Amino acid sequence: EFVLTQSPVTLSLSPGERATLSCRASQSINNYVAWYQQKPGQAPRLLIYDASNRATGIPARFSGSGSGTDFTLTISSLEPEDFAVYYCQQRSDWPLTFGGGTKVEIK
Amino acid sequence: EVQLLESGGGLVQPGGSLRLSCAASGFTFSNYAMTWVRQAPGKGLGWVSTIGRSGTDTFYADSVKGRFTISRDNSKNTLYLQMNSLRAEDTAIYYCAKALGIVGPATSRWFDPWGQGTLVIVSS
Repeated sequence: EFVLTQSPVTLSLSPGERATLSCRASQSINNYVAWYQQKPGQAPRLLIYDASNRATGIPARFSGSGSGTDFTLTISSLEPEDFAVYYCQQRSDWPLTFGGGTKVEIK
Repeated sequence: EVQLLESGGGLVQPGGSLRLSCAASGFTFSNYAMTWVRQAPGKGLGWVSTIGRSGTDTFYADSVKGRFTISRDNSKNTLYLQMNSLRAEDTAIYYCAKALGIVGPATSRWFDPWGQGTLVIVSS
């Protein structure tokens, strides 16, 4: 099973700042990583797939990078609506697995 | 507009059964793999099960294998999750999710969009 470890657990930032979230895989998963955003009381929403492809309707301030075992989600300038929990997910093999999440909170 | 509406959640005793449904609309249901993902209260996301477009191919997390059964009725545009021998640790919101695309693993294992979820509580 591919284990995904996200860091930090919590990221405290102000609107307008840059957010950098990390997802590390226990083994190489090529570029088979997605990122999801979840706000309180809502379902998750797909942001990025295959490490760097933005899903439909996702603003350009969200970008993904990485391959192998290390992946990054970057939010270039935080908007008020971006404060949420972010999860990475791998599709390299069954079982599909998620990271534990990073909460981006307002400083 | 794609819509996914889960139902069937509720309170059940340990050892009991529930069947969740996910009614889909706004897309050609039979063209897409479908998935169940769960989230225990205050916890992260956990993949439960995926079913291929025709229903022939099914995949399960080890924690539910042998207890849960995923199925679909393409004539009714509905996804199901039959949950038997329920345990306290199965307590969670259960989300159904549509595959991002129709082209094999490249797009069928990303989830977009998700339904709003249905809450399952396993407790005596």
